[in-house]
Amino acid sequence: GQNIDQPTEMTATEGAIVQINCTYQTSGFNGLFWYQQHAGEAPTFLSYNVLDGLEEKGRFSSFLSRSKGYSYLLLKELQMKDSASYLCAVRGPWNQGGKLIFGQGTELSVKP
Amino acid sequence: DSGVTQTPKHLITATGQRVTLRCSPRSGDLSVYWYQQSLDQGLQFLIQYYNGEERAKGNILERFSAQQFPDLHSELNLSSLELGDSALYFCASSPGTGNTEAFFGQGTRLTVV
Repeated sequence: GQNIDQPTEMTATEGAIVQINCTYQTSGFNGLFWYQQHAGEAPTFLSYNVLDGLEEKGRFSSFLSRSKGYSYLLLKELQMKDSASYLCAVRGPWNQGGKLIFGQGTELSVKP
Repeated sequence: DSGVTQTPKHLITATGQRVTLRCSPRSGDLSVYWYQQSLDQGLQFLIQYYNGEERAKGNILERFSAQQFPDLHSELNLSSLELGDSALYFCASSPGTGNTEAFFGQGTRLTVV
């Protein structure tokens, strides 16, 4: 089975940096994804890690440690529009369909 | 626009009824996933199809079923609806191979009254 944990909610200040952690336990691993979801809207892709290390993409970076079953999403220079839910997802092995299993999401509130 | 189309956007129906949700994947994507998202809940994986065949199954109720047609569009059928089935239902698609992300449709908001 798969178990993915992330904090339920976080609050940060506009212009600051915030780190959202995700830990996972899976029977197979084929990559870790981060999505952003505004209330009532579709999740949109932010980043992907399959090897250990840091992937940087503008104001967003994501880190993966496969041995620790741990990832984080780092958001820099926070803007009000970054207030959203951030979803960590693990892709299972292709012989099981390669499905994406999501954590419960972290609701981030950015305050002025 | 993700390229994934879901219809209808909104659906209101009574308990005990049956509804069909439709999804057209991105051009060229062979894999379709269905997810349920209840209020303040995460995305719950329901079922996945790849090139017309069921590939993976999650916590999908027996009252729910799905299929993927030769043109790769997919339908999710929900029957004997209960109040607790009210949720956002998302479809996502991906090529099905290789490490690429899944692209989500805008969802169907189902309200059971």
